[in-house]
Amino acid sequence: GAGVSQSPRYKVAKRGQDVALRCDPISGHVSLFWYQQALGQGPEFLTYFQNEAQLDKSGLPSDRFFAERPEGSVSTLKIQRTQQEDSAVYLCASSWQETQYFGPGTRLLVL
Amino acid sequence: QKEVEQNSGPLSVPEGAIASLNCTYSDRGSQSFFWYRQYSGKSPELIMSIYSNGDKEDGRFTAQLNKASQYVSLLIRDSQPSDSATYLCAVKDDNAGNMLTFGGGTRLMVKP
Repeated sequence: GAGVSQSPRYKVAKRGQDVALRCDPISGHVSLFWYQQALGQGPEFLTYFQNEAQLDKSGLPSDRFFAERPEGSVSTLKIQRTQQEDSAVYLCASSWQETQYFGPGTRLLVL
Repeated sequence: QKEVEQNSGPLSVPEGAIASLNCTYSDRGSQSFFWYRQYSGKSPELIMSIYSNGDKEDGRFTAQLNKASQYVSLLIRDSQPSDSATYLCAVKDDNAGNMLTFGGGTRLMVKP
């Protein structure tokens, strides 16, 4: 079956530009997570949804970051007024029970 | 702040040898432990999960957990060049949300 998909795979943005990153979870997975992975580091938690409810957004680094999952399936991570420090790979994961399955990630480069 | 520590490596082992990867964690409330493998430019892929003290074996992989020492390890027997990747240790405190807290990863290089 299909895994987690993310789009775009690569995004180059000019500083100050808004970006939107999409995640399509595995069908039927209730839980959805966003992580940020800087080069050479492990992923860091950003936010967590259970169905359409955002239960934890404690990892979002600033109010420029916003995530939604309005129908409990596809999720979008939006970054407003991008900064150079936002350059990273953004990973989406979905889970059923314990295991989190990761998508291929979106590599964001802010110039 | 919850911390998960790993030696960044690289850990270099010859083909056929045992690779031993180690991880320590700070949160005593952690209940679930995972090892992910990440090839360069790819997403993390689950290798093993372990929830209770002791050893858990799956093929060439053995995960070991010692909650008293707050230590989890991954042994890879008969290492192959295809095992060359970064191995990420992740922990979860089921009473503090469902997110995973990752270590920085250990880069493993298996030389033919």
